[in-house]
Amino acid sequence: SQQGEEDPQALSIQEGENATMNCSYKTSINNLQWYRQNSGRGLVHLILIRSNEREKHSGRLRVTLDTSKKSSSLLITASRAADTASYFCATDASGSARQLTFGSGTQLTVLP
Amino acid sequence: EPEVTQTPSHQVTQMGQEVILRCVPISNHLYFYWYRQILGQKVEFLVSFYNNEISEKSEIFDDQFSVERPDGSNFTLKIRSTKLEDSAMYFCASRGQGMVEFFGPGTRLTVL
Repeated sequence: SQQGEEDPQALSIQEGENATMNCSYKTSINNLQWYRQNSGRGLVHLILIRSNEREKHSGRLRVTLDTSKKSSSLLITASRAADTASYFCATDASGSARQLTFGSGTQLTVLP
Repeated sequence: EPEVTQTPSHQVTQMGQEVILRCVPISNHLYFYWYRQILGQKVEFLVSFYNNEISEKSEIFDDQFSVERPDGSNFTLKIRSTKLEDSAMYFCASRGQGMVEFFGPGTRLTVL
């Protein structure tokens, strides 16, 4: 099954603008996480939102979760050129190890 | 700040050869994972390891793959007879008692 599909696939904005990325998933989750990946590099954890939470903030990041629609959004405010990266949502599975299922990602480009 | 490390950063091998990818998870973490990302595609779960045994594995993790934690610090992924389609970035991750998985920088495997 395709768990964690992001849209848009690619987003290009000007520095200072806000960037919004969306993620949809299919199965029940314990939590949903957002990761960032710079080109060819590792995954950096950004923020985790539990299934019983609706909104969470961390610095310039705001995440929402709507479990009835099985969707989440990541908002980056006042974007910077350094925010240019791929952003992935990931949901944890019901398995005992709670491994992550990643979406296909949104490639964000912030133009200076 | 503790981090997951992986070696080598890039491995080139001939088809049919065995490769071992190495990871040093964050000390005192309990859960260990391997994921892979084929170029331009999603990050995919391969296997999880807990209490010195595999706890979950995906369909990708067939008989050609194995994992080991030979001592208290290393966590390895072995591919016995590499195929062209094994070319990918391989990420190791570890998790403690919390819900966040911390990822290493990845090993880029190129099978010729």
